[in-house]
Amino acid sequence: GAVVSQHPSRVICKSGTSVKIECRSLDFQATTMFWYRQFPKQSLMLMATSNEGSKATYEQGVEKDKFLINHASLTLSTLTVTSAHPEDSSFYICSAPGTGNYGYTFGSGTRLTVV
Amino acid sequence: RKEVEQDPGPFNVPEGATVAFNCTYSNSASQSFFWYRQDCRKEPKLLMSVYSSGNEDGRFTAQLNRASQYISLLIRDSKLSDSATYLCVVTRGNNDMRFGAGTRLTVKP
Repeated sequence: GAVVSQHPSRVICKSGTSVKIECRSLDFQATTMFWYRQFPKQSLMLMATSNEGSKATYEQGVEKDKFLINHASLTLSTLTVTSAHPEDSSFYICSAPGTGNYGYTFGSGTRLTVV
Repeated sequence: RKEVEQDPGPFNVPEGATVAFNCTYSNSASQSFFWYRQDCRKEPKLLMSVYSSGNEDGRFTAQLNRASQYISLLIRDSKLSDSATYLCVVTRGNNDMRFGAGTRLTVKP
């Protein structure tokens, strides 16, 4: 089945630094990638939708200059958290649409801790 | 009002029990419906799609009522391994998914 590989799985960084998270579709072409954030004991919240070859669409309240999304190819989408702060510490996860009634394929998630 | 609402639980049930989760959604134009399972600190995994005709997969039964904008999941003969958070997911026409906050289930021996 469709696989989305997400890296890194876990990262600890200092405040003020930037962190890049990658999601690769391994055996299919993902023209769209959804990026979510999940705080402890809360639901997954959609941050933005990236589309190959065009600008990402951000949800209300998500700073596009802070969360840079690039979808330069049909198999790679990246999220860069710039000038990270402790409040950015969260579980970030990507997802690509599947086909038919098979739902969506998720990456394994990235647990970001900003110290 | 949240677009997808679920009872957060937790539901604590003994092995072998039957448990039901409910979910309501506010966007009448929603197109596809799913139940996902999420284990602690892991990515969600598709449990089953939900159809108006209802669908069953082993011990799991899902139902959709479009008129009431209501989705349900029934788990029969609960196993310890069923302990997880169950997420109700609704997609819009542009394919993006909206998640409920999840319902936590703990099955105890």
